[in-house]
Amino acid sequence: GAGVSQSPRYKVAKRGQDVALRCDPISGHVSLFWYQQALGQGPEFLTYFQNEAQLDKSGLPSDRFFAERPEGSVSTLKIQRTQQEDSAVYLCASSLVGGGGSYNEQFFGPGTRLTVL
Amino acid sequence: SQQGEEDPQALSIQEGENATMNCSYKTSINNLQWYRQNSGRGLVHLILIRSNEREKHSGRLRVTLDTSKKSSSLLITASRAADTASYFCATKPGAQKLVFGQGTRLTINP
Repeated sequence: GAGVSQSPRYKVAKRGQDVALRCDPISGHVSLFWYQQALGQGPEFLTYFQNEAQLDKSGLPSDRFFAERPEGSVSTLKIQRTQQEDSAVYLCASSLVGGGGSYNEQFFGPGTRLTVL
Repeated sequence: SQQGEEDPQALSIQEGENATMNCSYKTSINNLQWYRQNSGRGLVHLILIRSNEREKHSGRLRVTLDTSKKSSSLLITASRAADTASYFCATKPGAQKLVFGQGTRLTINP
């Protein structure tokens, strides 16, 4: 594929439901990021993977949020027992390399807009 | 929490005019990046300026960086309707994650 893809593009959930959001990064990209963007705000970091290893999950807002990337490619962000404050756009990004380089461009997917009723 | 603060929060100008957006940040940085976001193309990287650079150009974009004031500006010259979008500055305080500002919503009126 040409870019990062995410599915579904839109998700409506009733409060208390579990949801799973999928991210397909650019093929060969080592690093994968999840961000949460509330309406009218900038994206906020949730978690970061280098291959299959989750190296930083400091941005996950609660233990209801869980992310995985078991084979170092596709990633899933799962939100359990959704609450209204979880309503946001969830963005996935990938970059070619990992490590401590000062600049590895992140390519963003179109996002999944989650609405919790 | 977000590190950057953009101003203005919203800007509306006529097509052909120049648009200037400002960003301030709080911690030391290796570089600062500007992104554009619209409903059609999602979040797109525009330009990066390194901490040892003061000014950078890319097409109709001009970015400045003042590390002593922890601020940056993005200038779009000869604006077009297609420039209507939200613009975000982003820094990378560590090695990986980006920290975004709240953004400037730019509207170009025909």
